Amino acid sequence: DAKTTQPTSMDCAEGRAANLPCNHSTISGNEYVYWYRQIHSQGPQYIIHGLKNNETNEMASLIITEDRKSSTLILPHATLRDTAVYYCIVRVESSGTYKYIFGTGTRLKVLA
Amino acid sequence: NAGVMQNPRHLVRRRGQEARLRCSPMKGHSHVYWYRQLPEEGLKFMVYLQKENIIDESGMPKERFSAEFPKEGPSILRIQQVVRGDSAAYFCASSQQGFNEQFFGPGTRLTVL
Repeated sequence: DAKTTQPTSMDCAEGRAANLPCNHSTISGNEYVYWYRQIHSQGPQYIIHGLKNNETNEMASLIITEDRKSSTLILPHATLRDTAVYYCIVRVESSGTYKYIFGTGTRLKVLA
Repeated sequence: NAGVMQNPRHLVRRRGQEARLRCSPMKGHSHVYWYRQLPEEGLKFMVYLQKENIIDESGMPKERFSAEFPKEGPSILRIQQVVRGDSAAYFCASSQQGFNEQFFGPGTRLTVL
């Protein structure tokens, strides 16, 4: 059972910022939010993760609301190669082990 | 610096045959995870293994499916007596520790005729 909900699809103009929202209203205090993307049915590629602070790396920024019930992945300057399915994932812990719970993802199409 | 490797990349089986999917984790990684992806769906967790141990198999069907990660060699996901509903992409991921990010392989696409 997915712990995240995302829009099914989004379009973004090349060179503009892509903002991908995710709701995770049932997230627990120690559960991290991870973002991965999947290009052309390849293996998912790690993008970024966070717990409660905003995070930034060379690929993207992650903004997590103060109540942690939602987050937004930001690709600052989208390119055609960013066209992919983006998954917002909650990492759940059980008895000291961790696993990813994938949602259905957002299909981002970057338009020239 | 090889990533996670899976083979075969494509596998075709007839109903009732066995399918064996292999996964070699990244160098230095001792945690392996298997996921299944049906068309147009997200990945579904199946099983989590460390060397020689199954840690969490809560997502694996109770019958016909098994997984192992021996001390030497790749992790194996085995599906006995395959049925058409087993047709899917099977992805393996590995991590250095259980709490680190997972790195995914390219997947094995199983087609059952």
